[in-house]
Amino acid sequence: EDQVTQSPEALRLQGGESSSLNCSYTVSGLRGLFWYRQDPGKGPEFLFTLYSAGEEKEKERLKATLTKKESFLHITAPKPEDSATYLCAVQAAGSQGNLIFGKGTKLSVKP
Amino acid sequence: KAGVTQTPRYLIKTRGQQVTLSCSPISGHRSVSWYQQTPGQGLQFLFEYFSETQRNKGNFPGRFSGRQFSNSRSEMNVSTLELGDSALYLCASSLGGQGTEAFFGQGTRLTVV
Repeated sequence: EDQVTQSPEALRLQGGESSSLNCSYTVSGLRGLFWYRQDPGKGPEFLFTLYSAGEEKEKERLKATLTKKESFLHITAPKPEDSATYLCAVQAAGSQGNLIFGKGTKLSVKP
Repeated sequence: KAGVTQTPRYLIKTRGQQVTLSCSPISGHRSVSWYQQTPGQGLQFLFEYFSETQRNKGNFPGRFSGRQFSNSRSEMNVSTLELGDSALYLCASSLGGQGTEAFFGQGTRLTVV
Protein backbone atom coordinates (compact mmCIF):
# COMPACT_ATOMS: atom_id res chain seq x y z
CA GLU A 1 0.00 0.00 0.00
CA ASP A 2 1.29 3.47 -0.90
CA GLN A 3 2.16 5.45 2.20
CA VAL A 4 3.65 8.79 3.22
CA THR A 5 4.96 9.47 6.73
CA GLN A 6 6.18 12.82 7.97
CA SER A 7 8.30 13.45 11.02
CA PRO A 8 8.39 15.00 13.46
CA GLU A 9 4.71 15.80 13.96
CA ALA A 10 5.66 19.11 15.57
CA LEU A 11 8.89 21.07 15.76
CA ARG A 12 9.72 24.15 17.80
CA LEU A 13 12.75 26.21 16.81
CA GLN A 14 14.36 29.40 17.93
CA GLY A 15 14.79 31.98 15.23
CA GLY A 16 18.00 31.25 13.35
CA GLU A 17 18.13 27.60 14.47
CA SER A 18 18.33 25.51 11.28
CA SER A 19 16.66 22.10 11.06
CA SER A 20 15.15 19.54 8.71
CA LEU A 21 11.73 18.01 8.22
CA ASN A 22 11.45 14.45 6.97
CA CYS A 23 9.04 12.83 4.54
CA SER A 24 9.46 9.09 3.99
CA TYR A 25 7.40 7.30 1.39
CA THR A 26 6.56 3.84 0.19
CA VAL A 27 5.11 3.82 -3.30
CA SER A 28 5.20 1.54 -6.28
CA GLY A 29 7.05 3.90 -8.57
CA LEU A 30 7.34 7.60 -7.83
CA ARG A 31 6.04 10.10 -10.35
CA GLY A 32 6.67 13.13 -8.18
CA LEU A 33 6.99 14.41 -4.62
CA PHE A 34 5.46 17.71 -3.58
CA TRP A 35 5.97 20.04 -0.64
CA TYR A 36 3.27 22.45 0.50
CA ARG A 37 3.00 24.98 3.28
CA GLN A 38 -0.32 25.50 5.08
CA ASP A 39 -1.12 28.40 7.36
CA PRO A 40 -4.03 28.17 9.83
CA GLY A 41 -7.38 28.73 8.17
CA LYS A 42 -5.90 28.64 4.66
CA GLY A 43 -5.40 26.14 1.90
CA PRO A 44 -1.98 24.63 1.20
CA GLU A 45 0.49 26.74 -0.77
CA PHE A 46 2.72 24.99 -3.30
CA LEU A 47 6.46 25.06 -2.57
CA PHE A 48 8.35 22.43 -4.60
CA THR A 49 8.08 19.44 -6.88
CA LEU A 50 10.87 16.82 -7.02
CA TYR A 51 10.90 14.04 -9.57
CA SER A 52 14.05 11.96 -9.19
CA ALA A 53 16.54 10.92 -6.53
CA GLY A 54 19.34 13.43 -6.13
CA GLU A 55 17.20 16.37 -7.18
CA GLU A 56 17.29 19.52 -5.05
CA LYS A 57 15.28 22.74 -5.13
CA GLU A 58 15.65 25.95 -3.16
CA LYS A 59 13.45 28.89 -2.33
CA GLU A 60 14.61 31.54 0.11
CA ARG A 61 15.38 29.73 3.40
CA LEU A 62 13.95 26.40 2.21
CA LYS A 63 15.71 23.60 0.40
CA ALA A 64 14.09 20.32 -0.59
CA THR A 65 16.03 17.17 -1.40
CA LEU A 66 14.95 13.73 -2.58
CA THR A 67 16.33 10.20 -2.21
CA LYS A 68 14.77 6.91 -3.25
CA LYS A 69 12.98 6.54 0.08
CA GLU A 70 12.58 10.00 1.56
CA SER A 71 12.66 13.73 1.12
CA PHE A 72 13.98 16.40 3.42
CA LEU A 73 12.88 19.99 3.74
CA HIS A 74 15.81 21.92 5.17
CA ILE A 75 15.07 25.25 6.81
CA THR A 76 18.07 27.53 7.21
CA ALA A 77 18.01 30.32 9.81
CA PRO A 78 14.21 30.24 10.12
CA LYS A 79 12.15 33.29 11.00
CA PRO A 80 8.82 33.47 12.87
CA GLU A 81 7.01 33.91 9.55
CA ASP A 82 8.13 30.42 8.55
CA SER A 83 5.80 29.02 11.21
CA ALA A 84 3.23 26.83 9.46
CA THR A 85 2.34 23.22 8.80
CA TYR A 86 4.47 21.69 6.05
CA LEU A 87 2.83 18.96 4.01
CA CYS A 88 4.47 16.39 1.80
CA ALA A 89 2.59 14.54 -0.95
CA VAL A 90 3.58 11.89 -3.45
CA GLN A 91 2.15 10.87 -6.76
CA ALA A 92 2.62 7.17 -7.40
CA ALA A 93 2.89 5.74 -10.86
CA GLY A 94 0.23 3.11 -10.35
CA SER A 95 -2.41 5.07 -8.45
CA GLN A 96 -4.16 6.89 -11.29
CA GLY A 97 -1.99 9.82 -10.39
CA ASN A 98 -3.75 10.61 -7.11
CA LEU A 99 -1.78 12.65 -4.61
CA ILE A 100 -1.16 10.91 -1.28
CA PHE A 101 -0.48 13.37 1.54
CA GLY A 102 1.40 12.92 4.78
CA LYS A 103 -0.15 14.34 7.93
CA GLY A 104 2.29 17.22 8.07
CA THR A 105 4.85 18.75 10.38
CA LYS A 106 3.73 21.73 12.40
CA LEU A 107 6.65 24.14 12.65
CA SER A 108 6.78 26.92 15.25
CA VAL A 109 9.61 29.44 15.14
CA LYS A 110 10.10 31.72 18.12
CA PRO A 111 11.78 35.13 17.79
CA LYS B 1 -4.63 37.15 -10.98
CA ALA B 2 -7.60 35.96 -8.95
CA GLY B 3 -7.01 32.83 -6.89
CA VAL B 4 -9.20 29.81 -6.30
CA THR B 5 -12.52 30.75 -4.74
CA GLN B 6 -14.53 28.39 -2.61
CA THR B 7 -18.01 29.09 -1.33
CA PRO B 8 -19.35 29.05 1.22
CA ARG B 9 -16.50 29.35 3.73
CA TYR B 10 -18.51 27.82 6.57
CA LEU B 11 -21.51 25.52 6.73
CA ILE B 12 -23.44 23.84 9.51
CA LYS B 13 -25.72 20.99 8.49
CA THR B 14 -27.76 18.34 10.24
CA ARG B 15 -27.21 14.60 9.86
CA GLY B 16 -29.11 13.21 6.92
CA GLN B 17 -29.13 16.46 4.96
CA GLN B 18 -27.20 17.04 1.77
CA VAL B 19 -24.78 19.82 0.91
CA THR B 20 -23.26 21.36 -2.22
CA LEU B 21 -19.92 23.14 -2.21
CA SER B 22 -18.60 25.30 -5.00
CA CYS B 23 -15.14 25.95 -6.39
CA SER B 24 -14.12 28.51 -9.02
CA PRO B 25 -10.62 27.74 -10.32
CA ILE B 26 -8.01 30.15 -11.59
CA SER B 27 -8.87 31.42 -15.04
CA GLY B 28 -7.46 29.09 -17.68
CA HIS B 29 -7.08 26.12 -15.36
CA ARG B 30 -9.01 23.08 -16.56
CA SER B 31 -8.31 20.73 -13.67
CA VAL B 32 -10.08 20.88 -10.33
CA SER B 33 -9.33 18.41 -7.54
CA TRP B 34 -11.22 18.06 -4.27
CA TYR B 35 -9.78 17.01 -0.91
CA GLN B 36 -11.11 16.35 2.56
CA GLN B 37 -8.92 17.46 5.46
CA THR B 38 -9.45 16.22 9.02
CA PRO B 39 -7.12 16.27 12.04
CA GLY B 40 -7.04 12.48 12.20
CA GLN B 41 -6.68 11.54 8.53
CA GLY B 42 -5.00 14.60 7.10
CA LEU B 43 -5.63 15.51 3.46
CA GLN B 44 -7.41 12.84 1.48
CA PHE B 45 -8.12 12.94 -2.23
CA LEU B 46 -11.77 12.85 -3.24
CA PHE B 47 -11.82 13.28 -7.03
CA GLU B 48 -10.41 15.22 -9.92
CA TYR B 49 -12.22 16.77 -12.85
CA PHE B 50 -10.59 17.83 -16.08
CA SER B 51 -12.53 19.48 -18.88
CA GLU B 52 -15.87 18.39 -17.37
CA THR B 53 -14.84 14.72 -17.01
CA GLN B 54 -14.02 12.93 -13.80
CA ARG B 55 -10.48 11.73 -14.30
CA ASN B 56 -9.59 10.24 -10.92
CA LYS B 57 -11.49 9.19 -7.84
CA GLY B 58 -10.37 8.48 -4.28
CA ASN B 59 -11.70 5.93 -1.82
CA PHE B 60 -14.82 7.66 -0.64
CA PRO B 61 -18.41 6.33 -0.62
CA GLY B 62 -20.84 7.14 -3.38
CA ARG B 63 -22.47 9.79 -1.18
CA PHE B 64 -19.64 12.04 -2.34
CA SER B 65 -20.04 13.23 -5.90
CA GLY B 66 -19.00 16.12 -8.05
CA ARG B 67 -19.23 17.73 -11.42
CA GLN B 68 -17.50 20.34 -13.49
CA PHE B 69 -19.08 22.87 -15.79
CA SER B 70 -17.92 24.16 -19.15
CA ASN B 71 -16.37 27.23 -17.49
CA SER B 72 -14.29 24.87 -15.27
CA ARG B 73 -16.19 25.76 -12.11
CA SER B 74 -16.81 22.69 -10.03
CA GLU B 75 -19.30 21.60 -7.43
CA MET B 76 -19.07 18.85 -4.87
CA ASN B 77 -22.13 17.26 -3.32
CA VAL B 78 -22.41 15.14 -0.20
CA SER B 79 -25.72 13.40 0.40
CA THR B 80 -27.07 11.86 3.60
CA LEU B 81 -24.54 13.66 5.77
CA GLU B 82 -22.90 11.84 8.67
CA LEU B 83 -21.13 13.29 11.70
CA GLY B 84 -17.84 11.97 10.31
CA ASP B 85 -18.21 14.17 7.24
CA SER B 86 -17.30 17.20 9.35
CA ALA B 87 -14.09 18.47 7.81
CA LEU B 88 -12.37 21.17 5.80
CA TYR B 89 -13.07 20.60 2.12
CA LEU B 90 -10.41 21.99 -0.18
CA CYS B 91 -10.32 22.35 -3.90
CA ALA B 92 -7.22 22.86 -5.98
CA SER B 93 -6.92 24.04 -9.54
CA SER B 94 -4.09 23.41 -11.95
CA LEU B 95 -3.32 23.61 -15.64
CA GLY B 96 -2.55 19.95 -16.18
CA GLY B 97 -4.00 18.09 -13.22
CA GLN B 98 -2.45 16.44 -10.20
CA GLY B 99 1.28 16.30 -10.54
CA THR B 100 1.50 19.85 -11.77
CA GLU B 101 1.61 22.95 -9.60
CA ALA B 102 -1.72 23.17 -7.85
CA PHE B 103 -3.30 26.23 -6.24
CA PHE B 104 -5.64 25.63 -3.34
CA GLY B 105 -8.64 27.63 -2.22
CA GLN B 106 -9.19 28.54 1.42
CA GLY B 107 -11.64 25.69 1.85
CA THR B 108 -15.15 25.20 3.13
CA ARG B 109 -15.46 24.24 6.77
CA LEU B 110 -18.38 21.82 7.06
CA THR B 111 -19.77 20.94 10.45
CA VAL B 112 -22.40 18.20 10.71
CA VAL B 113 -24.46 18.18 13.91
